[in-house]
Amino acid sequence: QLQESGPGLAEPSDTLSLTCTVSGGSITATTFYWGWIRQSPGKGLEWIAAVYYRGTTYYNPSLRGRVTVSVDTSKNLFSLHLNSVTAADTGVYFCARHRADYVWGRQVPGRMDVWGPGTTVIVS
Amino acid sequence: SSDLTQAPAAVSVALGQTVRITCQGDSLRSYFASWYQQRPGQAPVLVMFGKNNERPSGIPARFSGSSSGNTASLTITGAQAEDEADYYCNCRASRGDHLVFGGGTKVTVL
Repeated sequence: QLQESGPGLAEPSDTLSLTCTVSGGSITATTFYWGWIRQSPGKGLEWIAAVYYRGTTYYNPSLRGRVTVSVDTSKNLFSLHLNSVTAADTGVYFCARHRADYVWGRQVPGRMDVWGPGTTVIVS
Repeated sequence: SSDLTQAPAAVSVALGQTVRITCQGDSLRSYFASWYQQRPGQAPVLVMFGKNNERPSGIPARFSGSSSGNTASLTITGAQAEDEADYYCNCRASRGDHLVFGGGTKVTVL
């Protein structure tokens, strides 16, 4: 199971920090990546980023430079940090487990098979 | 703009009838799509994935998938009231290592 946590409210220009706690399995499992997806009010899903337990990261180019994802293996959780937030960053943030996929012999994040319930963030 | 274009944006289907959603994009020529169902106020749920269009455990057999060229499709055969939801396709981007979602399709069951 996955569970997001973090402040529900942020001010413009703040850094938003969210945490996803993983239970029922180890975040160091080699066949999973751990990622974030968000959804603006009334809009579709936007994939943000994913991280492997060893620290390899993948980012949506539209957010690259503002977003960082990391893993804390000692606490079995992973985190999202989004800086310089604006009202456009308001929405529901989901964490999700990604199954590892293989592309041209490389392991990369694939389908999202377990999701957290989501946490609402309002930037105002 | 999205690498993946879903159609239609919204569709209504009579109870027990069939509805098909498509997802188009260059990346689908190289990679396989996954499909997600999102009911109002809930987190998305994986309903279809992979080369062989597999259904995760617990997903009814009325959900099926197919792909050809740059297009992936999700079909619900014999739609039920509980299938009313938004559906999203997802795939690797045509350029880069990130993932992208289609714009979504709202399915209404009448």
